[in-house]
Amino acid sequence: QAVVTQEPSVTVSPGGTVTLTCASSTGAVTSGHYPYWFQQKPGQAPRTLIYDTNNKHSWTPARFSGSLLGGKAALTLSGAQPEDEADYYCFLFYDGDVVFGGGTKLTVL
Amino acid sequence: EVQLVESGGGLVNPGGSLRLTCVASGFTLTGNHMTWVRQASGKGLEWISFINGVTNKISYADSVKGRFTMSRDDAKNSVYLQMNSLRVEDTALYYCLGAGSFSSWGQGTPVTVSS
Repeated sequence: QAVVTQEPSVTVSPGGTVTLTCASSTGAVTSGHYPYWFQQKPGQAPRTLIYDTNNKHSWTPARFSGSLLGGKAALTLSGAQPEDEADYYCFLFYDGDVVFGGGTKLTVL
Repeated sequence: EVQLVESGGGLVNPGGSLRLTCVASGFTLTGNHMTWVRQASGKGLEWISFINGVTNKISYADSVKGRFTMSRDDAKNSVYLQMNSLRVEDTALYYCLGAGSFSSWGQGTPVTVSS
């Protein structure tokens, strides 16, 4: 099965902008991988932020956006807030199989 | 309200079996993709199995293939994960994820494999 790679840790200043990425070992990430992004805070179940590359659920703050960037899936946070400090995971579909990235620990500092 | 509730976790000896249940409410399983995900303590999320809500095709991660079986009962609006030949490394919190665009996560059920 494929390997999906994310940055292990990223730091952003309050109010700043940061982009987290999700790369596939099989090549460029496309919309056909239906990229998803999840947020998990300590002691909580994950919650789904972005589906199918760039679609938001009703609870997804407007400051989060998804895209494809340079052959990777990307999650951009514009105007980081202290409550955005969390682990972020992507997953990709591969013809019925699903692979999670290792997660990115986002620090807002 | 869309909700997923897992149950069935517990302590089991290596080589033993457990059956996890995920009951869905607020939506019907028919036509919706469902998946099981696990997370070992302090570690990341790991996909375990997936059922395509349209084709009913089921797929598994290599780490559980041949040992775990996912199934669905539309009458009970539930999905199941039968886990056999359990190993110490299967110890984790097991989540059910599904509903439209994987919008809903359960709270998880803990599985501990230890002698």
